[in-house]
Amino acid sequence: SQTIHQWPATLVQPVGSPLSLECTVEGTSNPNLYWYRQAAGRGLQLLFYSVGIGQISSEVPQNLSASRPQDRQFILSSKKLLLSDSGFYLCAWSVPGSHSGNTIYFGEGSWLTVV
Amino acid sequence: LAKTTQPISMDSYEGQEVNITCSHNNIATNDYITWYQQFPSQGPRFIIQGYKTKVTNEVASLFIPADRKSSTLSLPRVSLSDTAVYYCLVGGATNKLIFGTGTLLAVQP
Repeated sequence: SQTIHQWPATLVQPVGSPLSLECTVEGTSNPNLYWYRQAAGRGLQLLFYSVGIGQISSEVPQNLSASRPQDRQFILSSKKLLLSDSGFYLCAWSVPGSHSGNTIYFGEGSWLTVV
Repeated sequence: LAKTTQPISMDSYEGQEVNITCSHNNIATNDYITWYQQFPSQGPRFIIQGYKTKVTNEVASLFIPADRKSSTLSLPRVSLSDTAVYYCLVGGATNKLIFGTGTLLAVQP
């Protein structure tokens, strides 16, 4: 069966420090991969999605970036965090090219607090 | 990806049936309708998916009229543990999955 893991689960970082959140998917090949952010009490904001290795589409042109160095690995990064980057970050995957393409599976989430 | 519109919040009592409606006027022919449930500090999880008419599983039913411009998630006999945010997502084999604002369902004793 397919599983998705992301880490770390909780992170407290000072303003201006770098960020790296990592996500891996097991049990499937060539998944679509996503990073979402959710501020407290708000909806899900799509940050990045990827349809393959090295292929990243950005929805939020801010100080965040994403990379996909391997088929089932997705990394969210920042060189210098802002206070507004605080939130709940979710990695997710879906099966491309089928009617179930909008069936999306989420990881456990990572809480980031920028202080 | 079809834009969706849902009520921001709904209130209910334990044991009642709850119906949450989602509007998606520009749904495409190949789009499916999928509903998700999200608890605080967790990722959304799949509830039910359909294309037309009615779909039922062990936790919910999904009603889709013939024009497919809306859908209704029906939760039978809700309990306190059903308090959550519910999202409808409309799309087909698309790569860009954007969630709407969702509906916060509050179930009271």
